[in-house]
Amino acid sequence: DTAVSQTPKYLVTQMGNDKSIKCEQNLGHDTMYWYKQDSKKFLKIMFSYNNKELIINETVPNRFSPKSPDKAHLNLHINSLELGDSAVYFCASSQVGRGLETQYFGPGTRLLVL
Amino acid sequence: SQQGEEDPQALSIQEGENATMNCSYKTSINNLQWYRQNSGRGLVHLILIRSNEREKHSGRLRVTLDTSKKSSSLLITASRAADTASYFCATGYTGGFKTIFGAGTRLFVKA
Repeated sequence: DTAVSQTPKYLVTQMGNDKSIKCEQNLGHDTMYWYKQDSKKFLKIMFSYNNKELIINETVPNRFSPKSPDKAHLNLHINSLELGDSAVYFCASSQVGRGLETQYFGPGTRLLVL
Repeated sequence: SQQGEEDPQALSIQEGENATMNCSYKTSINNLQWYRQNSGRGLVHLILIRSNEREKHSGRLRVTLDTSKKSSSLLITASRAADTASYFCATGYTGGFKTIFGAGTRLFVKA
């Protein structure tokens, strides 16, 4: 069973389009994250949600809007895509607060904006 | 920036040799974690060390933490070609909802 899954795995789109990436975890974790990994492999946190509530928003442009319909899902919608949005986006989950800070990562969504 | 730094950026060794990677950070932490990322894959957790611990072992992995120097090291003993990957340190803070990742060390183990 896949613990953290993301769809799609690859996303190629034109500048200006709107796209969504979905993430689901079956680990029963309360906390979910979105990270962006650029071409230099630098991994930066974008958002953190705990029990469906936004906890961290790391000065991400308003074009990025996360949505958590329930604890097991955290989706990322991106409006008006720009060339600089091209990157690999990783979803992760963890169970914060019980000494279990280990994060479990999804396989990533490779976004290419043309 | 709280961003940690890893050293070296890249490391190439022969199979059987030991690999040491270092991580430095800037502010007080609750814990420090090491992750591995194989090419084209997500990150996989390797080991977590808490701020009140100095050393931890897991199989061929040994992690040390020096909070006075704000640094950690990851030692992989008797490396194998399958250890070829990028290794990231990640610092965790009180509250637990934010983890800061370093830039990673790219390890290449030659068979």
